Amino acid sequence: GAVVSQHPSWVICKSGTSVKIECRSLDFQATTMFWYRQFPKQSLMLMATSNEGSKATYEQGVEKDKFLINHASLTLSTLTVTSAHPEDSSFYICSARDLAGVRNEQFFGPGTRLTVL
Amino acid sequence: KQEVTQIPAALSVPEGENLVLNCSFTDSAIYNLQWFRQDPGKGLTSLLLIQSSQREQTSGRLNASLDKSSGRSTLYIAASQPGDSATYLCAVIKVGTGTASKLTFGTGTRLQVTL
Repeated sequence: GAVVSQHPSWVICKSGTSVKIECRSLDFQATTMFWYRQFPKQSLMLMATSNEGSKATYEQGVEKDKFLINHASLTLSTLTVTSAHPEDSSFYICSARDLAGVRNEQFFGPGTRLTVL
Repeated sequence: KQEVTQIPAALSVPEGENLVLNCSFTDSAIYNLQWFRQDPGKGLTSLLLIQSSQREQTSGRLNASLDKSSGRSTLYIAASQPGDSATYLCAVIKVGTGTASKLTFGTGTRLQVTL
């Protein structure tokens, strides 16, 4: 089956530092990847849509200068949380859509737990 | 704006029971509907995907149905086991979103299966 990995699985950082999270599709190509954040006991909130070779599309209310997204290849997208603050602490999950698939199915990574001190 | 609601929000059942999770959506113009499972602190695992032209999908003890006209889907779990304990999420993709394929998630149902 389609596998999506994320790295790191968890990270703790000091306030003001930047953190990069990687999302990889391991056995399929994805022109489109999605970044979500999830607060405790809540559902997933879409942050942005990452398109290979072009700029990401951000959802309303998401600061594009704070959450930098790069989708440099068909198997890798990165999310960089710049100048992180405690309120950025959350669970970040990426997903990827199989380019060859006809069902528009999305596959999700295992998530990255970010804690900003 | 598409809104997806799941009922109940939480459910506790004894092992062996059959159970039904409900998902409703306000805009019936969907491309497909997916059911996911999320374990605490983990990502999402895709369980079943139903295309808009389909009425149901089955995988093992799971059966998902879709009634697009009424904006409803159900996930049926047969002979529940403690290992089924997790949060179950449904999500829809709206027609016309093309390659964007943005999923709109439901609020989730937290299931606990007790011994």
